[in-house]
Amino acid sequence: AQSVAQPEDQVNVAEGNPLTVKCTYSVSGNPYLFWYVQYPNRGLQFLLKYITGDNLVKGSYGFEAEFNKSQTSFHLKKPSALVSDSALYFCVSVNDYKLSFGAGTTVTVRA
Amino acid sequence: EAGVAQSPRYKIIEKRQSVAFWCNPISGHATLYWYQQILGQGPKLLIQFQNNGVVDDSQLPKDRFSAERLKGVDSTLKIQPAKLEDSAVYLCASSPRAGESGELFFGEGSRLTVL
Repeated sequence: AQSVAQPEDQVNVAEGNPLTVKCTYSVSGNPYLFWYVQYPNRGLQFLLKYITGDNLVKGSYGFEAEFNKSQTSFHLKKPSALVSDSALYFCVSVNDYKLSFGAGTTVTVRA
Repeated sequence: EAGVAQSPRYKIIEKRQSVAFWCNPISGHATLYWYQQILGQGPKLLIQFQNNGVVDDSQLPKDRFSAERLKGVDSTLKIQPAKLEDSAVYLCASSPRAGESGELFFGEGSRLTVL
């Protein structure tokens, strides 16, 4: 089965500090991995994707993610978090055109 | 460019009643999805359309849920009769085509509360 896991329900960081949201995957073959963000009372938004190529993927709003095949991880990172980054983040795998969402990680950035 | 439109944004009904949600995807997008997002969980795919044909409805509870996409544009998701466990946000998404690109455009969702 193709799936992703987000081991942390919540992540709390201070504004200006680095932000990391963890994701591990369990897929056969070449994984297609994505991050989506859901701001309060807003629809889900695409952040970035990894399909092939460089292991470090850059996306919207200053976010990046590192694909690590040996650790089967695809952690989302931002060097300096903003209060406006407070949202619900989903790691997503794609297989046969179907998206499978992780359970989500709630990020709270305090001023 | 207009985004994915959904209505109604909120709906409260009693169990065993029926409800319908409407979605208008981004113009020109061939693929349309309906997801169910229960509080505290990630979205779960209910049904995927490619133009007006169904690509995947394996997780759609067909005894009570139905969906259609007439003319390959707008779509309607219906629940009849509703159960308490159907309380969730119903998300509609569209993409230019099905594929591993994975970039879907989501509407703001329709929040259903079943009492």
